[in-house]
Amino acid sequence: AQSVTQLDSQVPVFEEAPVELRCNYSSSVSVYLFWYVQYPNQGLQLLLKYLSGSTLVKGINGFEAEFNKSQTSFHLRKPSVHISDTAEYFCAVSGPGQAGTALIFGKGTTLSVSS
Amino acid sequence: NAGVTQTPKFQVLKTGQSMTLQCAQDMNHEYMSWYRQDPGMGLRLIHYSVGAGITDQGEVPNGYNVSRSTTEDFPLRLLSAAPSQTSVYFCASKPQGVFDQPQHFGDGTRLSIL
Repeated sequence: AQSVTQLDSQVPVFEEAPVELRCNYSSSVSVYLFWYVQYPNQGLQLLLKYLSGSTLVKGINGFEAEFNKSQTSFHLRKPSVHISDTAEYFCAVSGPGQAGTALIFGKGTTLSVSS
Repeated sequence: NAGVTQTPKFQVLKTGQSMTLQCAQDMNHEYMSWYRQDPGMGLRLIHYSVGAGITDQGEVPNGYNVSRSTTEDFPLRLLSAAPSQTSVYFCASKPQGVFDQPQHFGDGTRLSIL
């Protein structure tokens, strides 16, 4: 069975500081990995995804993530955050269902950016 | 494009009542799914469907029924609501078997069971 662990439930940072949101996964098969962002009272929006190839993945809004197979990690980073990055972030791995379409989500990390 | 549309956006029910959460997509996606989101729990898969007439259970299916009579619609039914079903429900869709396409999420239905 696949699972996802987000190591920090809350991450407070100051504006323009760098941030890293940590995600570890568990799977006995090849996986596809995703980061989603949820702004207050909204649905989820895809930030970036890793399917194959280069282990450094760039996404929207200046975010990037690095896939590390040996450490089974997929940490999300941004070199300089803005107030508008305040949101909840979810790491997800492809799960059961035909062709690995279903997603298994972590419990989320709340990023709070203050001035 | 409307994308994934969920109705209603908010609903309050009494214990034991039944209701149907509606989900419709206009992207001709084969795959549709329902998640519930609870504080500190992330999103958990309730049911999913890989096409009309085909549904399967996810991680937390108890208390919920689904059917898929058309490609566009994937309603979620609560037959006898319980306070434990108070949650935010999200519907999502994507093309089946196309790994580089993300799941598209609706804006959610906030459901309170009293």
